[in-house]
Amino acid sequence: GNSVTQMEGPVTLSEEAFLTINCTYTATGYPSLFWYVQYPGEGLQLLLKATKADDKGSNKGFEATYRKETTSFHLEKGSVQVSDSAVYFCAPVIQGAQKLVFGQGTRLTINP
Amino acid sequence: DGGITQSPKYLFRKEGQNVTLSCEQNLNHDAMYWYRQDPGQGLRLIYYSQIVNDFQKGDIAEGYSVSREKKESFPLTVTSAQKNPTAFYLCASSPGLAGSYEQYFGPGTRLTVT
Repeated sequence: GNSVTQMEGPVTLSEEAFLTINCTYTATGYPSLFWYVQYPGEGLQLLLKATKADDKGSNKGFEATYRKETTSFHLEKGSVQVSDSAVYFCAPVIQGAQKLVFGQGTRLTINP
Repeated sequence: DGGITQSPKYLFRKEGQNVTLSCEQNLNHDAMYWYRQDPGQGLRLIYYSQIVNDFQKGDIAEGYSVSREKKESFPLTVTSAQKNPTAFYLCASSPGLAGSYEQYFGPGTRLTVT
């Protein structure tokens, strides 16, 4: 079946540090992949996406590359800010069903 | 502005009462979804609808019901049969076209049942 495994949180970093949040998935074929971000008390916002192998999604300084060899879609940012503090969710698509599978989320806290 | 609205933001009910959560979208999306989120947890799919007048159970449908009479609206009823209804409920929509699977979320409704 389809599943996703995210790096366990919470993750705490200092401002301007380098960020990696790991995400690996199991799925049939090569699904589209998404990263969502959730700020406290809010719904989820789409952060970035990749629709085929080797695609790189990017937004707001965040990047993730679709690696079919390792079935991974790790989220990275070169220099985090306090405003990046949020919960991040990795979500591959269940092909043919128009459904996403959400990881458990990784809570990120950035200290000034 | 296009988007998804959920109302109310906070909802309080007594145990044994049914309660209906509203979700409206003006994005002209075909597909709509309801998720439940518990503290420190990921999202669990309750129900989803890919087209008007049709919907499917998700992973945790027991104790919930939905309707999809209009494209713009997908209300969720939390019935008294739901054993632990207190949670944060999120509605989402998606274009529903082949290849367009990204979902857009509303701001959520926090339901507290005492």
